[in-house]
Amino acid sequence: DTGVSQDPRHKITKRGQNVTFRCDPISEHNRLYWYRQTLGQGPEFLTYFQNEAQLEKSRLLSDRFSAERPKGSFSTLEIQRTEQGDSAMYLCASSINRGAAAFFGQGTRLTVV
Amino acid sequence: GQQVMQIPQYQHVQEGEDFTTYCNSSTTLSNIQWYKQRPGGHPVFLIQLVKSGEVKKQKRLTFQFGEAKKNSSLHITATQTTDVGTYFCAGLRTGGGADGLTFGKGTHLIIQP
Repeated sequence: DTGVSQDPRHKITKRGQNVTFRCDPISEHNRLYWYRQTLGQGPEFLTYFQNEAQLEKSRLLSDRFSAERPKGSFSTLEIQRTEQGDSAMYLCASSINRGAAAFFGQGTRLTVV
Repeated sequence: GQQVMQIPQYQHVQEGEDFTTYCNSSTTLSNIQWYKQRPGGHPVFLIQLVKSGEVKKQKRLTFQFGEAKKNSSLHITATQTTDVGTYFCAGLRTGGGADGLTFGKGTHLIIQP
């Protein structure tokens, strides 16, 4: 499978716990994006990487959120001290260059209880 | 910040009827992309429009980009049950360094057989 893969698909956590999600982009894509989607809304941009460099962060990305892409391949998104408002689908996407089609993974659905 | 608005939010049609969704940006866009998300699925890229006034067709789907590069539309002729889903437009801001797409809230297409 050469698409974007995300792990885990579902995560239930207690409020205050830390969670980490992983994204493996399409191998030849150097741009990797994280989005968040809540029910009935469109995806909201969180951050993006070009290779290993994190080049843009949304105001939605509070200091409890951190993302890395250490070797320019897979990426991780960590949320510390989760809150109920963090419950959402976290989508990862990759593209070959700026403005090109974004290929999305199936997402990680986070539920904070 | 940039806003992308889509109307209508929901559209109920009888199978065989046409469907149109409209997208408006608060700022001029570098390009606009359209995505389809099936219930329970992830956004899937449909098309990208780059030029002012551009029109592109994919079988029964017609996409337009406005002359001012601030609005766009998607028209589906003779809808089929396979067209069910949410259609999102997503705009890319002009200027370098702004790579994240701004999505509209989507139009949910519901088809009654």
